[in-house]
Amino acid sequence: QKEVEQDPGPLSVPEGAIVSLNCTYSNSAFQYFMWYRQYSRKGPELLMYTYSSGNKEDGRFTAQVDKSSKYISLFIRDSQPSDSATYLCAMSPLGAGGFKTIFGAGTRLFVKA
Amino acid sequence: DVKVTQSSRYLVKRTGEKVFLECVQDMDHENMFWYRQDPGLGLRLIYFSYDVKMKEKGDIPEGYSVSREKKERFSLILESASTNQTSMYLCASSSQGSRWDTQYFGPGTRLTVL
Repeated sequence: QKEVEQDPGPLSVPEGAIVSLNCTYSNSAFQYFMWYRQYSRKGPELLMYTYSSGNKEDGRFTAQVDKSSKYISLFIRDSQPSDSATYLCAMSPLGAGGFKTIFGAGTRLFVKA
Repeated sequence: DVKVTQSSRYLVKRTGEKVFLECVQDMDHENMFWYRQDPGLGLRLIYFSYDVKMKEKGDIPEGYSVSREKKERFSLILESASTNQTSMYLCASSSQGSRWDTQYFGPGTRLTVL
């Protein structure tokens, strides 16, 4: 069993839809949770990060962590064609920038105009 | 603007060749990483370095070596390339210290081994 599971998609939605992206994990030591966005032919870039449980909001994006269920989510409101990308969840027991970070396989998202 | 650059975007090599992938960061970061990215498998850590001349094996170091002679430069070496090393290779860097220091990635090198 992988430490981090993420549905690869692809997920196709119409412009303006609410998008829900999810990951599950098995290691209860994970404390730092991140979402990276990767456009085609580019490297991943950090989108959001949270520590422990709870919600964090940044504009149209909300990151949610449920440690009791070992489940994290990224919600995108009013999705735009420019949101079309691969979204990778990542998590670490030690810190956001460390070598213990484990990445999900990524979910490909297409937002249709 | 922070920047991680990689020497090549696309590379085609033959089985048995020695391959060098170069990565340079301009953020004075202590940590540097090499990952490979394959469909369905996500990013897997090959090697990382936390200081000049220091290196640690990641999850899949077999068939690879690294070199870090200067703080800003981290090289990945495939001693004898094989077809199963065909992949996207991503370099990243991060700063030690604050727990919120993120990893900054380069654009990647797509390597094909024939």
